[in-house]
Order: sequence, then C-alpha cells, then structure tokens
Amino acid sequence: AQRVTQPEKLLSVFKGAPVELKCNYSYSGSPELFWYVQYSRQRLQLLLRHISRESIKGFTADLNKGETSFHLKKPFAQEEDSAMYYCALSWGSGGSNYKLTFGKGTLLTVNP
Amino acid sequence: ETGVTQSPTHLIKTRGQQVTLRCSSQSGHNTVSWYQQALGQGPQFIFQYYREEENGRGNFPPRFSGLQFPNYSSELNVNALELDDSALYLCASSIGTGVYGYTFGSGTRLTVV
Repeated sequence: AQRVTQPEKLLSVFKGAPVELKCNYSYSGSPELFWYVQYSRQRLQLLLRHISRESIKGFTADLNKGETSFHLKKPFAQEEDSAMYYCALSWGSGGSNYKLTFGKGTLLTVNP
Repeated sequence: ETGVTQSPTHLIKTRGQQVTLRCSSQSGHNTVSWYQQALGQGPQFIFQYYREEENGRGNFPPRFSGLQFPNYSSELNVNALELDDSALYLCASSIGTGVYGYTFGSGTRLTVV
C-alpha cells in the first residue's frame, strides 16, 4: 500500500529565511509526486509536480528515490507563502487512472 | 475555462439520513475523483469515475456510492449517515489518467448530528 508522511504538522520561519517542508513516501511502484497548497479560505491547488520538474513561486522539489523523499524547498520565504501544504503520491494499477494519496499536511507560517 | 464546482457548500444532516453531493468537473475533464477530508487530516480517496464507470475505490464502505453522467458531472451518495461522516468532501477532476494532477473544487462541508 502507498503512504505519504509529512513529519511536521507546523512550521514557522521568518521572512527571507530558507524553508524546507519534508515529505517521505512509501510505494512499491514508480512514484509520481505532487505538492498541493491551500491558502486561507481558498481551495486546494496544485503547486508543483515531479513529472514536470518545474519551479513555481520559487519553490522546488527533488525526488530522492534512495531516501524515498520529495521535500519542498524555497531559499527565501515570503509572508504570502503562509498556507497549508500537502504532499501527494499519484498511483494507479491495472491500467486504471491515477489517484492521489495525501499526507496530513504541514501548516507553514512565515513571520514578518 | 470554468473550474470544478461543488454543491451545496454546507449541509447538516441527521444520523441515519442519506445525502447527495454534486460536482461539475472542469471543462474538458473526463475523470472525477472524490475525497473525504476530516478535520486536521489530508484528503482521503473515496472513489474515481472515468467515462461513467467506477475506476477505483478507496477504503470506504458500500454505503458510499457515486455516479458520473455523460457530461462528466458526478454525484456522491452516502446512505445511513454516521457521525464520523462529518467532513469536507472534495471533488477533483482531470483529463484522462490524471498523471499530471487534478483540479479541486472548494468542497462540501457535511455535518452529521
């Protein structure tokens, strides 16, 4: 079975400081991983996806298969980055479409 | 381009009742998934529909059922409501397999009393 673990429920940093949100996964297949973000009073939205190898809003995430990790990083945090962040693993079997397994989320607060 | 819309936004039901939640997928999206998000938890996969057929199911009892219509909109039905069914129910849509991710609706907040 697949599992996503986000060890930090809360993370607080100061503006301009580096930030790293941790995500570890367990999956027997080839993983496709995502980070979703939920800003206050807004819907869950896709931040970035491993398959696209992109950088969004200054955030990057590298898949480390040896450590089974997909940590989200940003070198200089901004106050507008304050939000709930969810790591998600995309999985599918038997030719079916992909589904998502989410971690429990990390609430990031960026202080002025 | 319209996003994913869900109705109603809030709902209060009594234990034992039945409820139907509705979702209109984003234009052009033919795969719809439903997730349950309990307080303080990440979304949990309920089931998925693709071309009007169930295409995978999570660890939820049969009293959770669904439908997808020819226009790709979808319903989630829950029978014999229990107090633990109180949660935010999220609908998400994608094109085809969903390998590039899903677009989520704002959710329906269900409270069972």
